[in-house]
Amino acid sequence: GAGVSQSPRYKVAKRGQDVALRCDPISGHVSLFWYQQALGQGPEFLTYFQNEAQLDKSGLPSDRFFAERPEGSVSTLKIQRTQQEDSAVYLCASSPEYQETQYFGPGTRLLVL
Amino acid sequence: AQKITQTQPGMFVQEKEAVTLDCTYDTSDQSYGLFWYKQPSSGEMIFLIYQGSYDEQNATEGRYSLNFQKARKSANLVISASQLGDSAMYFCAMRGSGGGADGLTFGKGTHLIIQP
Repeated sequence: GAGVSQSPRYKVAKRGQDVALRCDPISGHVSLFWYQQALGQGPEFLTYFQNEAQLDKSGLPSDRFFAERPEGSVSTLKIQRTQQEDSAVYLCASSPEYQETQYFGPGTRLLVL
Repeated sequence: AQKITQTQPGMFVQEKEAVTLDCTYDTSDQSYGLFWYKQPSSGEMIFLIYQGSYDEQNATEGRYSLNFQKARKSANLVISASQLGDSAMYFCAMRGSGGGADGLTFGKGTHLIIQP
């Protein structure tokens, strides 16, 4: 079946602009994760949903970052008043219930000018 | 807190040779999972192999095997008979069962280049 999809694939934003990044997980996957990957680094955990419940948001770097998954499927990561340090690849991953393996999408590359 | 250490920033290997990518980890959790992902230049993270901390046998998936040494806290990835298409970044990651973050903790990665 279809894998995790993310849109847009590339986003250029002016500093101070708000952005919204979308993630469509694999159908039926209960868990959804967001990660931030800076250039030359490994991904870093941002937040985790189980169905529509956001169970862990300990990795969100500031209150400018907000994520939601209102119906337990599609998720949106919103960044308000973007800063240059927000430039990174944002990866979404999903996993089925009772399984550990996370399946990643292609990522959204965000560049803040 | 969990930590993953990958000490090889880059590796050059001749095609058809076996490759071992090093990974050590640190955790206070009794139960945890260890993962390896491949990230080609296209950017997508591709799952390769998983090892549970209570699994008695080393995990294998085709040409990939995980050399799990629990006492040493190491989880090295072995790729047999390397191919040109194996050239990519490789990340070791773990997920614990404790009260910390639910996401994966990744290492900094190893850039593997297979030479013809």
